[in-house]
Amino acid sequence: DVKVTQSSRYLVKRTGEKVFLECVQDMDHENMFWYRQDPGLGLRLIYFSYDVKMKEKGDIPEGYSVSREKKERFSLILESASTNQTSMYLCASSVEGLAGALRYNEQFFGPGTRLTVL
Amino acid sequence: DQQVKQNSPSLSVQEGRISILNCDYTNSMFDYFLWYKKYPAEGPTFLISISSIKDKNEDGRFTVFLNKSAKHLSLHIVPSQPGDSAVYFCAASDQGGSEKLVFGKGTKLTVNP
Repeated sequence: DVKVTQSSRYLVKRTGEKVFLECVQDMDHENMFWYRQDPGLGLRLIYFSYDVKMKEKGDIPEGYSVSREKKERFSLILESASTNQTSMYLCASSVEGLAGALRYNEQFFGPGTRLTVL
Repeated sequence: DQQVKQNSPSLSVQEGRISILNCDYTNSMFDYFLWYKKYPAEGPTFLISISSIKDKNEDGRFTVFLNKSAKHLSLHIVPSQPGDSAVYFCAASDQGGSEKLVFGKGTKLTVNP
């Protein structure tokens, strides 16, 4: 079974703090993603990475950065946390899609980190 | 510009009846669609998918229907069970393009005993 783990289930930080959210996957997946989930807004992509040291902006990258130094690990960084970054953060990974594969682009999610910024 | 739309934020059904969750998309390049289920305080889990070369895919109580001309898909759950109560997300991808999935905003399903 694919396993995606996130470093914390719940996190409380203060405005202005630098926050690190860590994600690790154990299936040698090439692609990794960071989303945030907010009520009524669904899942919004912050950043994704398709290879070590490679990253691409998603739909809402402002206020965030990412790091992928190893294939299995993808970190989300809030440089200076703000109250509007209070949210559920979800990490996901997927294998490089194969032609004809039934579950092309299926993403496997971690349990999420509920971040509260005070 | 929302490319994947789930127009019903919530749906309530009785146990044993059918649940129908709908999803519309605008991008004609999308050719692979997935449904995810999410319980509170957990990550989404994959439920069922369908490729654009099919119009139906079944897995136990779950069936997804795809109408390409209408750019519409639906998830049918029969019979519905209280444990199905969750938020359901529709997602779409372009197999020839990006690794990204585009998600709808979700529909919260409540199955009443």
